[in-house]
Amino acid sequence: EVKLVESGGGLVQPGGSLRLSCAASGFAFKTFEMNWIRQVPGKGLEWISYISATGETIHYADSVRGRFTIARDNAKNSLSLEMNSLRADDTAFYYCARFDYGGRRLGFWGHGTLVIVSS
Amino acid sequence: EKVMTQSPDTLSVSPGERVTLSCRASQSVGTNLAWYQQKPGQAPRLLIYAASVRATGIPDRFSGSGSGTEFTLTISGLQSEDFALYHCHQYNSWPPRENPFGQGTKLEIK
Repeated sequence: EVKLVESGGGLVQPGGSLRLSCAASGFAFKTFEMNWIRQVPGKGLEWISYISATGETIHYADSVRGRFTIARDNAKNSLSLEMNSLRADDTAFYYCARFDYGGRRLGFWGHGTLVIVSS
Repeated sequence: EKVMTQSPDTLSVSPGERVTLSCRASQSVGTNLAWYQQKPGQAPRLLIYAASVRATGIPDRFSGSGSGTEFTLTISGLQSEDFALYHCHQYNSWPPRENPFGQGTKLEIK
């Protein structure tokens, strides 16, 4: 069974840091491109970061560039998102999701982890 | 850049009805358009890709159409489990300079 399980969310003060993790299982993680997408509760989705299967290519949305860092460990089947200089508008559910082979649609998603930035 | 706009924001319909959700791109995205369904408390699920191809396991009451800048998701014979939040997503432009998702359409029971 394909699984993506996020962890690491929680309450953090403005200006603080948090590291999210996504544990993958049930598929050949090292062959899939991965993404982080976030969603303010009850609102739309926002793509924030991408990493290629090998980790050589990385992209960020302008809203997080310079503050967030995506990484992967293919030996451990894991994806991470290091978040620094957090702001109130970073409050959201954070999902990891994989692209399907042959097309950049998001074929499978984790269930998300909630990050709340508040004093 | 490619900005995605969904309409309406909320749609109230009765079970059994047919409903059409719209997604418009500010510039052509070809047929590189996906639709996702998200039920409360759950992750999004891929419904449609390449504008009109149903993902694995998606019932045939869901259909997608369109190309260029205008896209629709049609659900025929609405069932109770279809009331959810629907998102469109363009993957023509990579990496995206604008958010590639629409703002979502909430389908609620009338």
